[in-house]
Amino acid sequence: DTEVTQTPKHLVMGMTNKKSLKCEQHMGHRAMYWYKQKAKKPPELMFVYSYEKLSINESVPSRFSPECPNSSLLNLHLHALQPEDSALYLCASSQLSGDEQFFGPGTRLTVL
Amino acid sequence: GENVEQHPSTLSVQEGDSAVIKCTYSDSASNYFPWYKQELGKRPQLIIDIRSNVGEKKDQRIAVTLNKTAKHFSLHITETQPEDSAVYFCAGAEGAQKLVFGQGTRLTINP
Repeated sequence: DTEVTQTPKHLVMGMTNKKSLKCEQHMGHRAMYWYKQKAKKPPELMFVYSYEKLSINESVPSRFSPECPNSSLLNLHLHALQPEDSALYLCASSQLSGDEQFFGPGTRLTVL
Repeated sequence: GENVEQHPSTLSVQEGDSAVIKCTYSDSASNYFPWYKQELGKRPQLIIDIRSNVGEKKDQRIAVTLNKTAKHFSLHITETQPEDSAVYFCAGAEGAQKLVFGQGTRLTINP
């Protein structure tokens, strides 16, 4: 399996809801990432996990809470989001010693 | 931190012609420079990358050049085809994890 998968593909949530995004890879990668991409903009790094431990947090608001339960899974828990958080959320993975980051198809999130 | 500037923001070329996209970076510690292609509604995909110990790298119709002194790198696509139409992002990083992307170039290949 050479792909990163993400669920759900689309998510609509209210500002008081709690939801989670899921990402999975079976390439044996030990680094996993969350990016946020607004329309017509580049991906912006949010979090990096290395060996299931959070190694980079790009000053992301606490309403976004990442979790890496094991080496294949990465979650992003969402709570009390704002409409401006609406975006495409991309997951990626890579070898720790390698360079290429493999991206998932993303979850398109709409916050009402 | 790193800042990556990318030009042009849009580029239109005739099929068969060459396309060049340029990026500059600010952090002299950056040593990894990938280029990603993102088609409409699709995920970004790596098309080529270069490390700072190399000045040029080529893969079929795609090449990347790096000038460390000037802190700029460029993507060259030759013999362009309609399927090359997409948004292209350059990026820079120290190591390979903390990628900072340029603003993107929308490339259109006219038949």
